[in-house]
This record gives sequence, C-alpha cells and structure tokens, in this order.
Amino acid sequence: ILNVEQSPQSLHVQEGDSTNFTCSFPSSNFYALHWYRWETAKSPEALFVMTLNGDEKKKGRISATLNTKEGYSYLYIKGSQPEDSATYLCAFETSYDKVIFGPGTSLSVIP
Amino acid sequence: DSGVTQTPKHLITATGQRVTLRCSPRSGDLSVYWYQQSLDQGLQFLIQYYNGEERAKGNILERFSAQQFPDLHSELNLSSLELGDSALYFCASSVRSLRGGEQFFGPGTRLTVL
Repeated sequence: ILNVEQSPQSLHVQEGDSTNFTCSFPSSNFYALHWYRWETAKSPEALFVMTLNGDEKKKGRISATLNTKEGYSYLYIKGSQPEDSATYLCAFETSYDKVIFGPGTSLSVIP
Repeated sequence: DSGVTQTPKHLITATGQRVTLRCSPRSGDLSVYWYQQSLDQGLQFLIQYYNGEERAKGNILERFSAQQFPDLHSELNLSSLELGDSALYFCASSVRSLRGGEQFFGPGTRLTVL
C-alpha cells in the first residue's frame, strides 16, 4: 500500500514567521510530486509540480524542494501572512498514473 | 475559477438510491480525475479517464462507476448508496495524462446520504 505522509498535521504561526512542512512518499514508482494549497470552502489549487531529484521551485514567498532518493519534499513559506492560512496538500504521482494525496498540513497565521 | 465545472453543487438523497455527478473539464483538457473526500479523510483518488478511456483506478467501490464521453465531460455514478458515501466529490482535469503536469480542480459536489 502506497502511503504519503505529511507533518506536522497542523501549525499555528505568527504573522511574519517563516515555516516549513514535510511530505514523505515512497521512493519507488515515482513520477512527480505535487503541492496544492486548499483554502476553506474552495477547491485545491496547484502550487508546484516537481519531477526531478533536487528540483527546487519558487513562487513568491513559497518554495519547495524535492529529494526522490530518500522520498521527501519540503514546502517553505517565508514571512507568513494571514492570507497564507490554508491546508497544504502534497500528492505523489506514480509512474502508472495513480495519484496519492497526503493528509495535509493545516496552517493558521495569526495576525 | 479553474475552468472545471461540476454539477450539482449539493445533492441530498436516501440510502439505496443512485445518483450521477457530472464534470466538465477545462477546454482542451483530455484527462479527468475523480476524488472523494470523506469526513476526517484526505482526498482519495477514485479513477482517471484520458480521452474517453479509463487510465487508472484507485480506491473506487464496485457500486461506483464512471465514464468519459466523446465531448470529454465525465459522469460518476454512485449506486446502492450508503451513509458512508456522504462526502465531497471532486473532479479535476489536466491537459494530458498528468505526467507531471498540473491538475485543475472543480468546485466539488457535496453528497449527503440520509
């Protein structure tokens, strides 16, 4: 059974703090690792897709790294803002077209 | 707005009934994915269609079936409904069979089985 884990489960930070979360995934049958941002009452929105070991992606204050050999990805948020409050999901895309989502990390940024 | 549409937005039905959820992908997207999010569970991949053909299957129950039509819209059929089928059902689309590309999610259909 393929399992994708995310830690921590939830996080409360002060506005301006930087934070990071972890996604752990199987190191076999890897094709891509996706990160999504999911705000309450909305649908998941794609942040990054990474396919190569060592990939680093950045969008504004958010960045992500990928280590496929050891099966983990980090998502970093620099200078958190209240509008960053959301659940951050990672999804492991297998080489045989299945997509397995992690349980998510819920981030609350306190003004 | 992702460009993916799902109808209906909400659906309330009784146990034992059958319902159909509909999804229209973004213009130009060939792949459609269905996901289920139950209470206290993450997004569970159900099934993927690419250009009308089933491409990958996840944790989809035998009581559930799906298809993708020539105009690329997709329907998810849920039959012999049970209380535990109450969930938010998302459809997502991508240009091709994902392969490291982006998925765009629809707004979801909230199914309540009473």
